[in-house]
Amino acid sequence: EDKVVQSPLSLVVHEGDTVTLNCSYEVTNFRSLLWYKQEKKAPTFLFMLTSSGIEKKSGRLSSILDKKELFSILNITATQTGDSAIYLCAVIKAQKLVFGQGTRLTINP
Amino acid sequence: DADVTQTPRNRITKTGKRIMLECSQTKGHDRMYWYRQDPGLGLRLIYYSFDVKDINKGEISDGYSVSRQAQAKFSLSLESAIPNQTALYFCATSDLGTGGYNEQFFGPGTRLTVL
Repeated sequence: EDKVVQSPLSLVVHEGDTVTLNCSYEVTNFRSLLWYKQEKKAPTFLFMLTSSGIEKKSGRLSSILDKKELFSILNITATQTGDSAIYLCAVIKAQKLVFGQGTRLTINP
Repeated sequence: DADVTQTPRNRITKTGKRIMLECSQTKGHDRMYWYRQDPGLGLRLIYYSFDVKDINKGEISDGYSVSRQAQAKFSLSLESAIPNQTALYFCATSDLGTGGYNEQFFGPGTRLTVL
C-alpha cells in the first residue's frame, strides 16, 4: 500500500531557530514529490521535486529529495512567526497526489 | 477574485440529510479534485475528474458522489450525511503541465459538520 509519512507531527520552536521537516514515502511508480504550506485554510504550493540531490530554494525555505533512500526534507532557516502553519508533503502517483499527515509547526516569538 | 471558489464555506447539517458542496474555478484547468481533511490524517482524495466526461473514484469515495457540470464546475454530494463525514473539504484544480503533471491549486475549503 502506498504510504507517505511525515515527521515530526508537531514541532514548537522559537523565532530565529532553524527547522527540518521530514517526509518519507513508499510509493510505486514514483514521479515527483511536492511540499505545500497550509495556514488558515487552503494549502499553497511550495516546491515540486523530481530529481535526486537537487536543492530547490525559495528565500529561507529549501528542500531536497533523495530517491534512493525515499525521503525529502524541508528546511526553514531563521524562522519567523509567519512560518507557523501545517506543512504537507505529497507524492504524485498515477497523476494524483498521495498526502502525508502533515507537520504542524509553531513558531513562538 | 479567487481562482478556485467553494460554496458554502461552512455548513452544519443533520444525519441523513443530502448535502451538495460546489466548486468553481476560473483557472481554465481541465483537472479537478475533491479532498477531505481530518486532523492527523492529511488530505485524502474522494473523487477526481480529468475532463468533463471523466469521473474517477479516489481513496475514500464511499458515501459520496460527484458531478462535473462543466469544465469550471465540480460538485460533491453526500447522499445521506453521517457524523463521520464531519471534516474540512477542499476542491483543487490542475492542468496537465510539462511531464504530465503540475501542482494543484486549492480552494478555501468548506467546513462541514454533521450532527
